[in-house]
Amino acid sequence: GENVEQHPSTLSVQEGDSAVIKCTYSDSASNYFPWYKQELGKGPQLIIDIRSNVGEKKDQRIAVTLNKTAKHFSLHITETQPEDSAVYFCAASPVFYAGGTSYGKLTFGQGTILTVHP
Amino acid sequence: KAGVTQTPRYLIKTRGQQVTLSCSPISGHRSVSWYQQTPGQGLQFLFEYFSETQRNKGNFPGRFSGRQFSNSRSEMNVSTLELGDSALYLCASSLERVLIDRELFFGEGSRLTVL
Repeated sequence: GENVEQHPSTLSVQEGDSAVIKCTYSDSASNYFPWYKQELGKGPQLIIDIRSNVGEKKDQRIAVTLNKTAKHFSLHITETQPEDSAVYFCAASPVFYAGGTSYGKLTFGQGTILTVHP
Repeated sequence: KAGVTQTPRYLIKTRGQQVTLSCSPISGHRSVSWYQQTPGQGLQFLFEYFSETQRNKGNFPGRFSGRQFSNSRSEMNVSTLELGDSALYLCASSLERVLIDRELFFGEGSRLTVL
């Protein structure tokens, strides 16, 4: 099955700096790569996602890049703010599974605790 | 629009007991998935339901089961609880417009402690 490795496990930056989190995946069938942010006491929330036919996607201060050949993808947050402090998870998923379609199964990385210091 | 609602939010059980957790998806969402979150193993997929049918299952023992009702609400059950079952159990729902929308909307979870 799919295996997703995420680095670093913790990341501490000053407000205004950039933060980069990297993930690698093992299953070449994976073609959907979302990033989730989890704040204390809450469930994960999607912040950005990318599909395998796209190399880069940007949404204001957040961007994700994907290298399918190398099987890795990264999250870039620019101009970090204290409210960006949270745990970030990358995930990977194929669209189809044996027996049919399954969109609900994501394989998550171990998470990165991002702390942005004012 | 109400989000995904999970009940109960916190519960304490003892080894050998069983527990049932409930999830109400966002109105109109027909897909419900369950995840177990622990500090050691992270977020792990349990199972996924769509239109009352289990569509996919993760690598958990048979003590973990679930079901979905006709109104898309879902329950999961863990029987013969073990200490290692202590975790945050997260439910997620999805609108799932094929090849367009794959976002999972997570609830705040049910925190289970097994003593």
